[in-house]
Amino acid sequence: KAGVTQTPRYLIKTRGQQVTLSCSPISGHRSVSWYQQTPGQGLQFLFEYFSETQRNKGNFPGRFSGRQFSNSRSEMNVSTLELGDSALYLCASSLAVMLGEQYFGPGTRLTVT
Amino acid sequence: KQEVTQIPAALSVPEGENLVLNCSFTDSAIYNLQWFRQDPGKGLTSLLLIQSSQREQTSGRLNASLDKSSGRSTLYIAASQPGDSATYLCAVHTGTASKLTFGTGTRLQVTL
Repeated sequence: KAGVTQTPRYLIKTRGQQVTLSCSPISGHRSVSWYQQTPGQGLQFLFEYFSETQRNKGNFPGRFSGRQFSNSRSEMNVSTLELGDSALYLCASSLAVMLGEQYFGPGTRLTVT
Repeated sequence: KQEVTQIPAALSVPEGENLVLNCSFTDSAIYNLQWFRQDPGKGLTSLLLIQSSQREQTSGRLNASLDKSSGRSTLYIAASQPGDSATYLCAVHTGTASKLTFGTGTRLQVTL
């Protein structure tokens, strides 16, 4: 069974631009969560989607948004990029919403210059 | 607000040693706890998942225990190998969604 895939793997953007990251969960998984990882803050939860509905959201500004499609694939968008948005963005999928084991993708490394 | 702490922050051991990594959390009302490893610049690999009703889980040379009432978990690695070198993260699942709260990790180096 294929794992969680994320595209692109690396991205370089300039301040003020916007970016869209994509995540394809493991087949059959309907829950997709997004995390931001930085050296200073560690892993922080962004949001979680289940059956195309956002079920939970972390403490990030409104510039961070996401969505989930009917095939469970998810995208996250960051608008008006800031230098501090440089991070590894990780996507995780799970079979069940509450008790399921989380499986992570390889991440997208975003660098904002 | 759930807080997760991992001690030590870094650990270096010679190959073959058994070792224990510690994880503590402040809110004992968890659904489960998951241990991950992360290699530099890579994503997270799930090692073990312990449900709140369980006391321990084993996979190969790894054994994870959970004491929910005291807010602690340990990851025991037997007969360590250089390939075990990585950062180990514990994460707890609290609340009604799939949000995980992560610890800051323990960076493990196994030397020859």
